[in-house]
Amino acid sequence: DAGVIQSPRHEVTEMGQEVTLRCKPISGHNSLFWYRQTMMRGLELLIYFNNNVPIDDSGMPEDRFSAKMPNASFSTLKIQPSEPRDSAVYFCASSLGTGLGYTFGSGTRLTVV
Amino acid sequence: DQQVKQNSPSLSVQEGRISILNCDYTNSMFDYFLWYKKYPAEGPTFLISISSIKDKNEDGRFTVFLNKSAKHLSLHIVPSQPGDSAVYFCAASANYGQNFVFGPGTRLSVLP
Repeated sequence: DAGVIQSPRHEVTEMGQEVTLRCKPISGHNSLFWYRQTMMRGLELLIYFNNNVPIDDSGMPEDRFSAKMPNASFSTLKIQPSEPRDSAVYFCASSLGTGLGYTFGSGTRLTVV
Repeated sequence: DQQVKQNSPSLSVQEGRISILNCDYTNSMFDYFLWYKKYPAEGPTFLISISSIKDKNEDGRFTVFLNKSAKHLSLHIVPSQPGDSAVYFCAASANYGQNFVFGPGTRLSVLP
């Protein structure tokens, strides 16, 4: 089991550019979560999916952020246009949906300059 | 307003001693709690959980205590080892759901 796979590991982009973060959940997990970690706010839930359907996106900071899960094995988080304050580590996590907790990916460190 | 609080941003403990990490929550609907450990450049990894029907759960050197009336939980690590040095996150959910709210984390340093 390769775990939750995120790409890229690091992304440096210029302000105004579009950024796409990718996640492959653990096979068989039916829930997927996107979190953002910053020094000031810790781990914040952005959005989560259950069976590929977005359930709660109240954590998405603004319309510049969007997430999709076209199938059970892939999800994207897109920021367009990116801003320096979006710089953070973005984690994807997946779970079996039984409330037992998640398995996190290694994260994508995003730097917007 | 943070629903899950970890008021100590950092903690230093001598190797072999007990580490106690604290977590407070405000939402009385929370009934399931997790602790995660995070090393630099890695994702958080699950450590231990406790549900509201219990007040203690133990796994090896790690014990979590839950005081529902005080809306407080704590993680005890005994004995502490240098490899325990990491950031520890407390997380809580309501209705045993999947939507966990995380605290800001406590950085534990275990000194040899």
